[in-house]
Amino acid sequence: EPEVTQTPSHQVTQMGQEVILRCVPISNHLYFYWYRQILGQKVEFLVSFYNNEISEKSEIFDDQFSVERPDGSNFTLKIRSTKLEDSAMYFCASSETGRNTEAFFGQGTRLTVV
Amino acid sequence: GENVEQHPSTLSVQEGDSAVIKCTYSDSASNYFPWYKQELGKRPQLIIDIRSNVGEKKDQRIAVTLNKTAKHFSLHITETQPEDSAVYFCAVIGGGGGNKLTFGTGTQLKVEL
Repeated sequence: EPEVTQTPSHQVTQMGQEVILRCVPISNHLYFYWYRQILGQKVEFLVSFYNNEISEKSEIFDDQFSVERPDGSNFTLKIRSTKLEDSAMYFCASSETGRNTEAFFGQGTRLTVV
Repeated sequence: GENVEQHPSTLSVQEGDSAVIKCTYSDSASNYFPWYKQELGKRPQLIIDIRSNVGEKKDQRIAVTLNKTAKHFSLHITETQPEDSAVYFCAVIGGGGGNKLTFGTGTQLKVEL
């Protein structure tokens, strides 16, 4: 069964450093998303991406964040200058179409900022 | 924006009993309501979903009911088993034309032997 894959599974970085989280969405899916989950809390939407551009973003997704689809298979989330409060599990997701369809989640990248 | 509330935050049941988790939402135009199960350290996995043109959907021991007038929907798990122990999240896609999921705060379900 096809699945969303994310790398790395765990990333430790120093405060102020840049990190790039990588995702390979399911191949025939058109919509891509990043969510984050701070330990013990709910899953929060960051950004959605369709047709090579951001279609929606949350208040969390400020100028420190950016997304890119550098080629036909990868989808990346960059955090330019990490803060302690960026420590969380970051989930990539994809869906075949946008409305009312299942979003498939990757296994997540645990980001720890020290 | 969409606001989703979920209750209870923790739920403990005896094996074989039923469990019910409830969510309310604020956007009356919302039209997609999935439920996710998340085991510790793992990804959220869809267990059942319902669309706004349906009032109830069942899949084996799991069912979801939707009351659009009252803006709430519920997850029902019957004949609970220890492997049902996990955190369950409701979610909503709002009616604003976007496709982001707004999640509830989660329910820690513990099924005791």
